[in-house]
Amino acid sequence: QVQVVESGGGVFQPGGSLRLSCAVSGFDFRNYGMHWVRQAPGKGLDWVSFIRYDGGNQFYADAVKGRFTISRDNSKNTVYLQMNNLRVEDTALYYCAKDDSRHRIVDYWGQGTLVIVSS
Amino acid sequence: EIVLTQSPATLSVSPGERATLSCRASQSISSNLAWYQQKPGQPPRLLVFAASTRATGVPARFSGSGSGTDFTLTFGSLQSEDFAVYYCQQYNDWPLTFGQGTRLEIK
Repeated sequence: QVQVVESGGGVFQPGGSLRLSCAVSGFDFRNYGMHWVRQAPGKGLDWVSFIRYDGGNQFYADAVKGRFTISRDNSKNTVYLQMNNLRVEDTALYYCAKDDSRHRIVDYWGQGTLVIVSS
Repeated sequence: EIVLTQSPATLSVSPGERATLSCRASQSISSNLAWYQQKPGQPPRLLVFAASTRATGVPARFSGSGSGTDFTLTFGSLQSEDFAVYYCQQYNDWPLTFGQGTRLEIK
């Protein structure tokens, strides 16, 4: 079955950097786009970024554009989110999620990795 | 960016009753709208896409409708497992956006 497992979260300082990883299995990864979606504690869902199946296109929310970079390695079935110049407001549970391939919607989600940005 | 406004913020309903949630877009998004359900401590679950198409395994009591700027998610008869937070998401244009959510609680 489809599995999506995020890692790399923790506590980081404002202005710092980190890279989240997302390892997937159970589907042909190279044929599907992938999303990152975040959820601040007690708040709603906030779409962050998307990468096309071949890495050829990436899209970002305005709040992270220029600071975050999404990438993927199809040989490792892994998608990444490089997060630079962290802000306190980036504190959230970061979900990695599989695109359904026909629409830009999520049909499978990971359990998330928690990123806390605090001094 | 396209702003989605969900209403009400919280809806209190008794099991067995019908309920309707609303999602309004700041500009036309055709039928490019999805609905998700999220329970505490869990990731969201896809319920409906293309405004009215139920995802695999979603019970028939969930019904989505609408197009353009106004959308609804209707529950035919609420079951105990339906009490959760519901989000709409537009995929008509980048950046993708979610509504702020509606909490469906037991009355």
